Amino acid sequence: RKEVEQDPGPFNVPEGATVAFNCTYSNSASQSFFWYRQDCRKEPKLLMSVYSSGNEDGRFTAQLNRASQYISLLIRDSKLSDSATYLCVVNVPGTYKYIFGTGTRLKVLA
Amino acid sequence: DAGVIQSPRHEVTEMGQEVTLRCKPISGHNSLFWYRQTMMRGLELLIYFNNNVPIDDSGMPEDRFSAKMPNASFSTLKIQPSEPRDSAVYFCASSFGQTSTDTQYFGPGTRLTVL
Repeated sequence: RKEVEQDPGPFNVPEGATVAFNCTYSNSASQSFFWYRQDCRKEPKLLMSVYSSGNEDGRFTAQLNRASQYISLLIRDSKLSDSATYLCVVNVPGTYKYIFGTGTRLKVLA
Repeated sequence: DAGVIQSPRHEVTEMGQEVTLRCKPISGHNSLFWYRQTMMRGLELLIYFNNNVPIDDSGMPEDRFSAKMPNASFSTLKIQPSEPRDSAVYFCASSFGQTSTDTQYFGPGTRLTVL
């Protein structure tokens, strides 16, 4: 099993739609979780951290399910500008290291 | 404020040549990371420095790769000799702390093509 696994997509959704991505991780001892966004030919940028209780930032909601070892990202009211690749990031317990998923590609269509 | 700066942005070289990638972290950050990104393998950590000291280089592919951080504001990643399979985007990232909860800020990357 990969350390961090994501559906590569692409997810093609119309503007205004709600879309959700999941990401599974293999190490149950991982404590830190993030979603990064990467635009085509650009660097990854932090979108949001994922907290145990779940957290929301505008149209974006992140959830953590420790029992099933997955995190999710929900995007409401999708905008054209949301088109990007979303990277799931999980820490390696006891280290400073992150493991990046290979990303889920989202295309929001007009 | 300036973010992480990398140079060159693009590098095309021939197999066997030496390649040097450069990175200037965000001022005040004391952790620096070199990553490599390919379509097949995604983003892989190559090496991590804390306070200019290499902490973990287990991700460096082989002896052809070396990295240095002579001071807090500069790091290099060198490939000698380069091979076509080294073609990738190389990112440098920095963070303020050294824990896994600290946000890593990425530079724009160097797109390397080895012919």
